Amino acid sequence: QVQLQEWGPGLVKPSQTLSLTCTVSNGSISNGAYYWSWIRQHPGKGLEWIGYIYDSGTIYYNPSLQSRITLSVDTSKNQFSLRLSSVTAADTAVYFCARVRHLWLQFDYWGQGILVTVSS
Amino acid sequence: IQLTQSPSSLSASVGDRVTITCRASQAISNYLAWYQQKPGKAPKLLIYAASTLQSGVPSRFSGSGSGTDFTLTISSLQPEDFASYYCQQLNSYPLAFGGGTKVEIK
Repeated sequence: QVQLQEWGPGLVKPSQTLSLTCTVSNGSISNGAYYWSWIRQHPGKGLEWIGYIYDSGTIYYNPSLQSRITLSVDTSKNQFSLRLSSVTAADTAVYFCARVRHLWLQFDYWGQGILVTVSS
Repeated sequence: IQLTQSPSSLSASVGDRVTITCRASQAISNYLAWYQQKPGKAPKLLIYAASTLQSGVPSRFSGSGSGTDFTLTISSLQPEDFASYYCQQLNSYPLAFGGGTKVEIK
């Protein structure tokens, strides 16, 4: 079955850019039936949708983060990525990647999550 | 669109029937999903399109509702069901999750 795995630095300094990548296994990221999404969860808190990208480059962002987010897809590596600029301690969270089916936008497969701490 | 879940937490016993509600601040048709999350784990999709059971999810889970009011029901609570549950609206952007309901052992 499809597997997703996030990777990237677990510690980022304030004002720098957080960069994460999600590798998709046992499924093609070029399959037109899916969006590829990022979600985060602040420690002990609920879930926040960050945005998602379609392999054609169509992107939907959460407006609360839109000015700082860049999403991209690398079909040759079967990966998609998140860059979040100008981070502060408020961006400390567990970041998840997920696959999203088009029809009902259900988030059906998730990565295990990666904790990113923003601290000097 | 804001989603309000209630209760925020509940205590129940194995075998109990549990109902969690999710209210949307405006109508979202049936574009609603439910997820289960255990500590330190990723959320798991339970229900989509308000009432469609995701493949592999036990039939004791069910969802209902349309418009603004939705429910997730666990017909007979099992030990592995103690977790947090989140609703998510998928009708309009930004996609949003409810605040969560933590189901604890009584």
